[in-house]
Amino acid sequence: AQSVTQLGSHVSVSEGALVLLRCNYSSSVPPYLFWYVQYPNQGLQLLLKYTSAATLVKGINGFEAEFKKSETSFHLTKPSAHMSDAAEYFCAVRTNFNKFYFGSGTKLNVKP
Amino acid sequence: EAGVTQFPSHSVIEKGQTVTLRCDPISGHDNLYWYRRVMGKEIKFLLHFVKESKQDESGMPNNRFLAERTGGTYSTLKVQPAELEDSGVYFCASSQGQLAGLLSSYNEQFFGPGTRLTVL
Repeated sequence: AQSVTQLGSHVSVSEGALVLLRCNYSSSVPPYLFWYVQYPNQGLQLLLKYTSAATLVKGINGFEAEFKKSETSFHLTKPSAHMSDAAEYFCAVRTNFNKFYFGSGTKLNVKP
Repeated sequence: EAGVTQFPSHSVIEKGQTVTLRCDPISGHDNLYWYRRVMGKEIKFLLHFVKESKQDESGMPNNRFLAERTGGTYSTLKVQPAELEDSGVYFCASSQGQLAGLLSSYNEQFFGPGTRLTVL
């Protein structure tokens, strides 16, 4: 069975500070892991995905995530937050037949 | 190229009424998915179409929900009669392929902006 847990429904950081959004997964098979972002009034946009080619995955807008099998984690980071990063972020596991299991989301607030 | 579109963007109805949500996938995408997010909770899978056929409808909550995809193009999701707990955001996604083992853009799901449904 697959499931995703995102710790912290709201995260607030100052502009220029490190962003860390946590995601832990449970999967009975090797996972396909994703991070999506949703800006207000828009659809889910793919940030990055883990394909098993490399444990450190780089995505758009300066975000990256590291797959740690021993910790069953796929945390999302960005060294320096920008005001435009304010959005809701979703971690997800995908099955072999393209069915997604999402976390409950983390809203990122960036303070000036 | 147009993305996935959904209509309406918002719908407010009273308990017991009927609502129909529409999703237009990206042209040429055989796979269409419906998801739902109840407030504050995770986004949950509802069902998956391949062309006009239901591949997986294991996430449909109950028989008040009916999804169709006549002709394999756009899809509708009807809720009849609507209940308070049906409130949430309904997302649609589409993809060309469906095999996650092949993680190319061919299999990537593209999401629409969602329909926010409020049942009073």
